[in-house]
This record gives sequence, structure tokens and C-alpha cells, in this order.
Amino acid sequence: DQQVKQNSPSLSVQEGRISILNCDYTNSMFDYFLWYKKYPAEGPTFLISISSIKDKNEDGRFTVFLNKSAKHLSLHIVPSQPGDSAVYFCAASPLIQGAQKLVFGQGTRLTINP
Amino acid sequence: DAGVIQSPRHEVTEMGQEVTLRCKPISGHNSLFWYRQTMMRGLELLIYFNNNVPIDDSGMPEDRFSAKMPNASFSTLKIQPSEPRDSAVYFCASSLRGGSNQPQHFGDGTRLSIL
Repeated sequence: DQQVKQNSPSLSVQEGRISILNCDYTNSMFDYFLWYKKYPAEGPTFLISISSIKDKNEDGRFTVFLNKSAKHLSLHIVPSQPGDSAVYFCAASPLIQGAQKLVFGQGTRLTINP
Repeated sequence: DAGVIQSPRHEVTEMGQEVTLRCKPISGHNSLFWYRQTMMRGLELLIYFNNNVPIDDSGMPEDRFSAKMPNASFSTLKIQPSEPRDSAVYFCASSLRGGSNQPQHFGDGTRLSIL
């Protein structure tokens, strides 16, 4: 069973517009969430995180929103740039384990069109 | 700053052979993680260490897989004997551990093909 789900395998967005990537989770023990970005032939790179005591965290063009009641989080990228084209993974962990045992979603491939 | 370094980047070998993947974590990081990425199962945690001690190996698929961390700057993941279904990209990651949540930093992976 997939505890972290990214239901959209791919997303295409025009440069300058907003990109919204979604993630759902089923395990109510998860209380720390992260987004990673991955380019081909490279390892995932940490983007932004949020703990369950917050519902929003912002870092530059990237904002993560958490809706605990819906067990849903989303990553907003504004404005989208061609360099944002990559695969984005959402990950979750229980804080009690020091957020070390990450469970990853399957990823969403984002393509930014010029 | 040097990131997590994995070797080799690519490995092609015949089934039944022993395979050893290597990882050098970021200096000063005291947690190390091994992941496997496949099309079917995505990115899954195999095992992780804190201060060179294995903490959770529940993700290790079979006894054919073993991991060691003899010191703070080196870890190996060994598969013996290897099988075609072990073909995947294997990632190593490291992080600081110290009570606060620290993101894991990944190496660029080893692409393993078992023929």
C-alpha cells in the first residue's frame, strides 16, 4: 500500500505561470513533510519542508501548504522557470523517528514550457 | 563543499556475482541512509545508520543484501549473490542528526544492472 501518493505522473506549465504539485498521505503518524527535486542522472535535492504544527512554509518562489484534515500537501512554484523542469518527490516521516524514516511518493515530472 | 559521493556510478555484472556499492557521506554528518529506486516501487529506504550503528534495516529486501558502516566516512551496500531483479538505482544519503529535523542530502546514485 502506498502511504504517500502523487497522483499526477506529469504536469506541464507555461513559463511564468504557477506550478502546483499535489501529494496525499494515508498514515496519520506522519507529521513532517518534505519536497525534493530530481534532475536526470542526479540524486534528489532537498527543496522545502513543513512540520504538522504549520500549514504553510515559504522559501522564495516555493511554498508548501499542508492540510492535515485532508491529509494533503501541495507545492506551489511561482513564477515557474525552465530550470524548474524536473521530477518532484514528496516525502513524509513521523517526527518521533527524528524525521529519518522517509516514505516517498512516486514523483511528478514537471515540464516548464517557454 | 563536497556532497555525498557514491561509487561506482554504473555497474553491470552477471547474476550470481557479488556487488559492492560504496558511499562517502558529507563530512560531519552522522546519519547515513541507503535507498533503492525502481520503476515499480519508486524510492524506498533500505537501511539507515546513526553514528555508524544500524538503526533500522526493515527495508532490506533479503538476506542477500547487507550494509556496513565501519567508520563515519564510509559505508558499503553489498549484494551477494546478485539477481536480475536487483537492477535499480541505489542512492546513499546523509544528514546531521541532533534533535532537530535535518534534510537528507543525496548522492548521485549507482545505476546497477544485473544481467
